[in-house]
Amino acid sequence: LAKTTQPISMDSYEGQEVNITCSHNNIATNDYITWYQQFPSQGPRFIIQGYKTKVTNEVASLFIPADRKSSTLSLPRVSLSDTAVYYCLVGEKSGTYKYIFGTGTRLKVLA
Amino acid sequence: EPEVTQTPSHQVTQMGQEVILRCVPISNHLYFYWYRQILGQKVEFLVSFYNNEISEKSEIFDDQFSVERPDGSNFTLKIRSTKLEDSAMYFCAREKQGARDTQYFGPGTRLTVL
Repeated sequence: LAKTTQPISMDSYEGQEVNITCSHNNIATNDYITWYQQFPSQGPRFIIQGYKTKVTNEVASLFIPADRKSSTLSLPRVSLSDTAVYYCLVGEKSGTYKYIFGTGTRLKVLA
Repeated sequence: EPEVTQTPSHQVTQMGQEVILRCVPISNHLYFYWYRQILGQKVEFLVSFYNNEISEKSEIFDDQFSVERPDGSNFTLKIRSTKLEDSAMYFCAREKQGARDTQYFGPGTRLTVL
């Protein structure tokens, strides 16, 4: 079973780029890496997903090295509204997909 | 893609009572999931549901829990005899069409057991 490890918390200032790194040493060959964002009292919200190299969408970039044992979520020019918990997930293939959430990284953006 | 909707947004109940939490998918999907999150803790997988049957369940999903899709549309989670420790946010999720490793979560139901 793939397990992910992330920093528990990070602080940043508005306008800065934030990089959150996640390690997943036991990732399986067919597993994708998915990042979610969660605000208090809301459901997790899909941010980005990738398999290898780099993926970019309108909100973030995801960098995955060749060995795929880690990944880095990059949030460009964060704002106060980006304060949330960010989860790195690797899908568990056992019949159906189920997400095994870790504690995530609590990002606090300061003015 | 739109997410699912959940009702009610907040449910308060007495210990020992039965509660039914509802999830309404925007369109017809086959795979659904229930997760829960106790305040201040991790999001925990409860059960996955495929083609009107339970596909997988966690150790949390004991005999007091059940899921069904009674009218082919709504997807429900029933807790038969609630306990204080069932107080949590309950999230329904569906899979992205054609991408089983991407899930879209609903806004959740906050269950408070007194």
